[in-house]
Amino acid sequence: QVQLVESGGGLVKPGGSLRLSCAASGFTFSDYYMSWFRQAPGKGLEWVSYISSSSDYTNYADSVKGRFTISRDNAKNSLYLQMNSLRAEDTAVYYCARDYGYSSSWDIFDYWGQGTLVTVSS
Amino acid sequence: EIVMTQSPATLSVSPGERATLSCRASQSLSSNLAWYQQKPGQAPRLLIYGASTRATGIPARFSGSESGTEFTLTISSLQSEDFAVYYCQQYNNWPLTFGGGTKVEIK
Repeated sequence: QVQLVESGGGLVKPGGSLRLSCAASGFTFSDYYMSWFRQAPGKGLEWVSYISSSSDYTNYADSVKGRFTISRDNAKNSLYLQMNSLRAEDTAVYYCARDYGYSSSWDIFDYWGQGTLVTVSS
Repeated sequence: EIVMTQSPATLSVSPGERATLSCRASQSLSSNLAWYQQKPGQAPRLLIYGASTRATGIPARFSGSESGTEFTLTISSLQSEDFAVYYCQQYNNWPLTFGGGTKVEIK
């Protein structure tokens, strides 16, 4: 069965960095676009970034552009989010999610991980 | 950026009753609207896409409709497992945006 497992969250000081990972299994990872989302405590969902199946295309929310970098390693079935210059407002649960489309971007998401909490605080 | 507005913020419904959730877009979406369900401590679950197409494995009591920039998610007869927060998401334009959510609670 499809599984997405995030890791790498934790407590970091403002201005610090973290790298999130998402381990995928149960499907051919290299065939799917992937995205990161986040959800601040008690708040709604926010799309953060996406990457195409072969890493040709990436896109970022304005709120993280220039600070976050999405990448993937298809040989390792893994998705990453490098987060630099972290701010208090980046505090959230971060989810990785699989795009519904096979080898294309439908921009809807049928499988999600359970999330990893990132807390930015001094 | 397309703004998505959901109403009401909270909906109190008795089990077995119908629930009607609304989502309004700030501009036309050409039916590029999805609905997700999220339970406490869990990841979102895709329910509906294309405004009215149920995702794989979603029960028939969930249905979606649209009228212009107004979208509706209807749960025909609420089951205990349906009490959750529901989000709409537009995918007509980047950035992808979500509504603020509607919490469906037990009356």
